[in-house]
Amino acid sequence: AQSVSQHNHHVILSEAASLELGCNYSYGGTVNLFWYVQYPGQHLQLLLKYFSGDPLVKGIKGFEAEFIKSKFSFNLRKPSVQWSDTAEYFCAVNLEGFKTIFGAGTRLFVKA
Amino acid sequence: GAVVSQHPSRVICKSGTSVKIECRSLDFQATTMFWYRQFPKQSLMLMATSNEGSKATYEQGVEKDKFLINHASLTLSTLTVTSAHPEDSSFYICSAAQGSTREQFFGPGTRLTVL
Repeated sequence: AQSVSQHNHHVILSEAASLELGCNYSYGGTVNLFWYVQYPGQHLQLLLKYFSGDPLVKGIKGFEAEFIKSKFSFNLRKPSVQWSDTAEYFCAVNLEGFKTIFGAGTRLFVKA
Repeated sequence: GAVVSQHPSRVICKSGTSVKIECRSLDFQATTMFWYRQFPKQSLMLMATSNEGSKATYEQGVEKDKFLINHASLTLSTLTVTSAHPEDSSFYICSAAQGSTREQFFGPGTRLTVL
């Protein structure tokens, strides 16, 4: 069955530290990839997406993600986190067609 | 950007009653809307996909007679939880997609509490 795995459920970082959140999926066909963020008390917002082309995609607020097809991965990175990045991050994979599967989420807490 | 609203944001009801949740795309026409359920500290679980004017497609394990979905127009989809029970208490989130795009825009969610 198709699945999306996020390796870290909780991450605690100090401000200015670098961030990398892992995401792997299991599906052999064409995929579209997303990272969503949910700030405390707010709804899901799109951080970045990959449909095709350059596998390194840049999103809002300094986030980027790299699609490595051979590894079925789409890891999220940010070189220097801020306290305001405290949120829950969801990796999502859209399979051929409209069905989208979400990872379990990673809660990031950034210490000021 | 595309905005999706949900109403109500919170609802508390008695066991056995039915609750209707609305999902609206405010500034675009949503050919497809999705309903998710999110349990505490867990991810979003897709419940059903609805296309305007046709019956919803439910995911395995989701009772279609309990969770009635109507997508009557390109800007409105409703989820009715019928004969609600405490185990139906959850956070329900809708999303909408426009045309052939795979990108979904999410509503703010509805917190349902069944007493």
